[in-house]
Amino acid sequence: QVQLVESGGGVVQPGRSLRLSCAASRFTFSLYSMHWVRQAPGKGLEWVAVLSYDGIIEHYADSVKGRFTISRDNSKSTLDLQMNSLRVEDTAVYYCARDVGVRGVILGIDNWGQGTLVSVSS
Amino acid sequence: DIQMTQSPSSLSASVGDRVIITCRASQGISNYLAWFQQKPGKAPRSLIYAASTLHSGVPSRFSGSESGTDFTLTISSLQPEDFATYYCQQYNNYPFTFGPGTTVHMK
Repeated sequence: QVQLVESGGGVVQPGRSLRLSCAASRFTFSLYSMHWVRQAPGKGLEWVAVLSYDGIIEHYADSVKGRFTISRDNSKSTLDLQMNSLRVEDTAVYYCARDVGVRGVILGIDNWGQGTLVSVSS
Repeated sequence: DIQMTQSPSSLSASVGDRVIITCRASQGISNYLAWFQQKPGKAPRSLIYAASTLHSGVPSRFSGSESGTDFTLTISSLQPEDFATYYCQQYNNYPFTFGPGTTVHMK
């Protein structure tokens, strides 16, 4: 079945950068749009970003726009999230997730990774 | 941005009960509505997309429906493994937005 494995989380100071990665396997990665979703400790889910199957179209939550960049390498089946100018409020578990639609059609998330924790603290 | 609200925020129920959770969008989203289940310390699980289509492997006791900007998730007969928090999400307009969640507790 679909496998999504996030990595790159850790503790970082405010204002610094961190890069998350998601390794995808057991499906044709290049056909699917991919999302990042986060969850602050004890809080609900917050959608962060989406990237189209071909890496051309990207959208972001207002809270991260201009600071985070989503990217992908279809040759390696990996999805990244470059997080710059990190804030304390970016502390969360970050999930990589696949959209059920193919070739640019957005139909909603069907598969999730296990998440990676990012802690922004001085 | 589209605001999603859920009611109730929490509920207590017993095994075998019929449970209904409601999600409302602040504006029209067609049927671009998904439901997710999450248990403590675990990643979310996708239940429904397009308001009423079950993902593969989701038990048929789960169902979704829509009426304008109101959406419902129904669990026809609650099972022990269904005690969890449920979230709705709209994906009609960017940025996509989640509801605040509904926690189903054991009575």
